[in-house]
Amino acid sequence: GAGVSQSPSNKVTEKGKDVELRCDPISGHTALYWYRQRLGQGLEFLIYFQGNSAPDKSGLPSDRFSAERTGESVSTLTIQRTQQEDSAVYLCASSLQGISPLHFGNGTRLTVT
Amino acid sequence: AQSVAQPEDQVNVAEGNPLTVKCTYSVSGNPYLFWYVQYPNRGLQFLLKYITGDNLVKGSYGFEAEFNKSQTSFHLKKPSALVSDSALYFCAVRDGDNYGQNFVFGPGTRLSVLP
Repeated sequence: GAGVSQSPSNKVTEKGKDVELRCDPISGHTALYWYRQRLGQGLEFLIYFQGNSAPDKSGLPSDRFSAERTGESVSTLTIQRTQQEDSAVYLCASSLQGISPLHFGNGTRLTVT
Repeated sequence: AQSVAQPEDQVNVAEGNPLTVKCTYSVSGNPYLFWYVQYPNRGLQFLLKYITGDNLVKGSYGFEAEFNKSQTSFHLKKPSALVSDSALYFCAVRDGDNYGQNFVFGPGTRLSVLP
């Protein structure tokens, strides 16, 4: 597709369940980012993949959060044992190297009940 | 480490008036600067960027931004605001000397254009 695709667009889950969020970046984009955005708030960096380099995981808030990316394609963000505080919109973005801007998906709205 | 400040949580302006959304940054290397807009229930859309060259950059929807190195600022401007410009605006910086560095976003400024 032409843009960054995220699925599902909405996810409601019970506290304690695991969830998996998916991101399909723009083809050819070597960099991929995950951000979290709580209602009405700014963007909180979670994790950054760049090519074959080790990912920058410095933003992951706890060991319940993990992410994977296969090569320069799809990425999945997994949240284990979800808590109500995990409720937010999770945004994925991709870019080319260097001066390219980020291109964002529409996000996955996660609600933990 | 990089950082971005957007000193105003909220900016209100009347339709037809000029608007400014402020951004200041801190980065150790050359700054690559970006503005994004977020409409309700949507992801962020790229507006414009400064990499090098002219300090005044023009972007989408009639927006422009002025890079000021001495003041480490990159304020977003538009000569005549539209009600449809009402949205959340984010400034972002990246270290141009280190491509391994992340994009860092400011906290966002909510722009309300009143009819």
